[in-house]
Amino acid sequence: GAGVSQSPRYKVAKRGQDVALRCDPISGHVSLFWYQQALGQGPEFLTYFQNEAQLDKSGLPSDRFFAERPEGSVSTLKIQRTQQEDSAVYLCASSPLAGTYEQYFGPGTRLTVT
Amino acid sequence: AQSVTQLDSQVPVFEEAPVELRCNYSSSVSVYLFWYVQYPNQGLQLLLKYLSGSTLVKGINGFEAEFNKSQTSFHLRKPSVHISDTAEYFCALAGGTSYGKLTFGQGTILTVHP
Repeated sequence: GAGVSQSPRYKVAKRGQDVALRCDPISGHVSLFWYQQALGQGPEFLTYFQNEAQLDKSGLPSDRFFAERPEGSVSTLKIQRTQQEDSAVYLCASSPLAGTYEQYFGPGTRLTVT
Repeated sequence: AQSVTQLDSQVPVFEEAPVELRCNYSSSVSVYLFWYVQYPNQGLQLLLKYLSGSTLVKGINGFEAEFNKSQTSFHLRKPSVHISDTAEYFCALAGGTSYGKLTFGQGTILTVHP
């Protein structure tokens, strides 16, 4: 079966532009996570969905970041008015059940803000 | 607050030599511990996990790790490495939430030389 997919794989945005990053989790997976990985760093948690409910958004760095998962499957991470510090790889992960502690990661979207 | 420290940012080693990648953690609650591997331009792949039970955990590709609660460590080992093990390795923990939000270390780049 297909794994977690993300699109686009690479995105270049000019400072101030809005971007939308898509995540297609493994079919049937209940949990979905977004992480941000800056260059040379480990991934950092952004937000968590259980089905369509966003249960934790404590890691979103500012109100310019917004995530949704309206039908409990595909998720979109939106960044408004991008800044240079938003340049990073954005990773999506899904998990079959809440609390199973095994997350399957997508390849990531590398965002470069110029 | 929880944190993960990977003590070595880079580890060079010759093929067929043993290797140990060090990981220490800090948490005020019980934790579950993980090692992930990231190959260039790919997502994170789970190598092994400690949830409970035996403190010696075996994973894929011949890797193993030992959970040491008194030393708050979870070091990754392999008795004989291959060129194909060249990658970045991340130690991570989950704890304090019911859904498995991960806190990652900064990563260790393992380079295996012929």
